Amino acid sequence: SAVISQKPSRDICQRGTSLTIQCQVDSQVTMMFWYRQQPGQSLTLIATANQGSEATYESGFVIDKFPISRPNLTFSTLTVSNMSPEDSSIYLCSVEGRFLTSTDTQYFGPGTRLTVL
Amino acid sequence: EDQVTQSPEALRLQEGESSSLNCSYTVSGLRGLFWYRQDPGKGPEFLFTLYSAGEEKEKERLKATLTKKESFLHITAPKPEDSATYLCAVQAAAGNKLTFGGGTRVLVKP
Repeated sequence: SAVISQKPSRDICQRGTSLTIQCQVDSQVTMMFWYRQQPGQSLTLIATANQGSEATYESGFVIDKFPISRPNLTFSTLTVSNMSPEDSSIYLCSVEGRFLTSTDTQYFGPGTRLTVL
Repeated sequence: EDQVTQSPEALRLQEGESSSLNCSYTVSGLRGLFWYRQDPGKGPEFLFTLYSAGEEKEKERLKATLTKKESFLHITAPKPEDSATYLCAVQAAAGNKLTFGGGTRVLVKP
């Protein structure tokens, strides 16, 4: 499987500020995704990060709140904008693609634990 | 809308006490059903992919099975290191999105 890293691993932020989370993969992948895991809950897909074009957002998530970039096949960023305490979650990136061991399996990064005060 | 329900929510086992976790699903055309293990403070770790009813896969003390409506994860003679949250997810034929269940928290006591 690919080696996936996320930065930062955790952060504590003030209400109204923004945080950008980075996801780096050690090999080129076709698909990259961003998920949210709220405290005590399971994972929910925020959006698919498309290389060279705008991300595809799931219902309930909007670009103004969660802008996403994917400049190449190994890197993506998720920004959590104008944060409120309700944004306190673990944010995870995942990857899927033809350069990995299994072409239809999503592998997850270690996550970024965000606390908003 | 795709849905995944896992039961039980939590499971306490004695070391060596075998048990099964259930994952019930509804999906518009199943592309794959996935099992992951998640340890506290970490991202999900991939375990298995199942594609069609009747398929089974094994890894050490874990065995996953699939029917048209549900999947089971059997843990045989568990050890304390098997303690984790086990997540089930489905992927529909039409896309790449994973829809996750709520997970089963497994605690294995020595």
